[in-house]
Amino acid sequence: AQSVTQLGSHVSVSEGALVLLRCNYSSSVPPYLFWYVQYPNQGLQLLLKYTTGATLVKGINGFEAEFKKSETSFHLTKPSAHMSDAAEYFCAVSDPRLADMRFGAGTRLTVKP
Amino acid sequence: ETGVTQSPTHLIKTRGQQVTLRCSSQSGHNTVSWYQQALGQGPQFIFQYYREEENGRGNFPPRFSGLQFPNYSSELNVNALELDDSALYLCASSSGVGYSGANVLTFGAGSRLTVL
Repeated sequence: AQSVTQLGSHVSVSEGALVLLRCNYSSSVPPYLFWYVQYPNQGLQLLLKYTTGATLVKGINGFEAEFKKSETSFHLTKPSAHMSDAAEYFCAVSDPRLADMRFGAGTRLTVKP
Repeated sequence: ETGVTQSPTHLIKTRGQQVTLRCSSQSGHNTVSWYQQALGQGPQFIFQYYREEENGRGNFPPRFSGLQFPNYSSELNVNALELDDSALYLCASSSGVGYSGANVLTFGAGSRLTVL
């Protein structure tokens, strides 16, 4: 079975500071990994995904994540936070043979001016 | 291209009633997945439809059922509503052979169901 653990339900950073959102996964097969962002009253929007190949993945809005198999991690980073980054972020894992995607509980990012 | 649209956006039901939620998939997408997102939690997979057939199901009871139509739109039906069914119901569409693994899910804004 697959699962995702997001460390920290709330993260607060100052505008211009580094953003680091942590995600650890469990999977019995090589996983596909995703980060989604959810703004209030909206659906989830894909930030980036890892399937195979390069372990450093770049996404939209300046976000990137690195797949570390030895640490079973897929942490999301952004060098400089912007006020518009304030949202809920979800890490997800999927088994390419199956229909479902397993999401973490989410991390709410607050950006202080 | 149009995105995923869901209706209604909000609704209130009482315990024991039945509800139908609707979803129009993004143009070019042939697979629809439904997720339940309870307050403060991540989305949980309910089921997926591909070519009008259920292609996978999460840990939800049979009173959660669905349909996919020839135009790839979909319905989620929930019978005998319980208080714990109160949640945001998200529809996501994708293209491909029905697996979520390599296919990016495009989510709608959701239908928020409140059960009193």
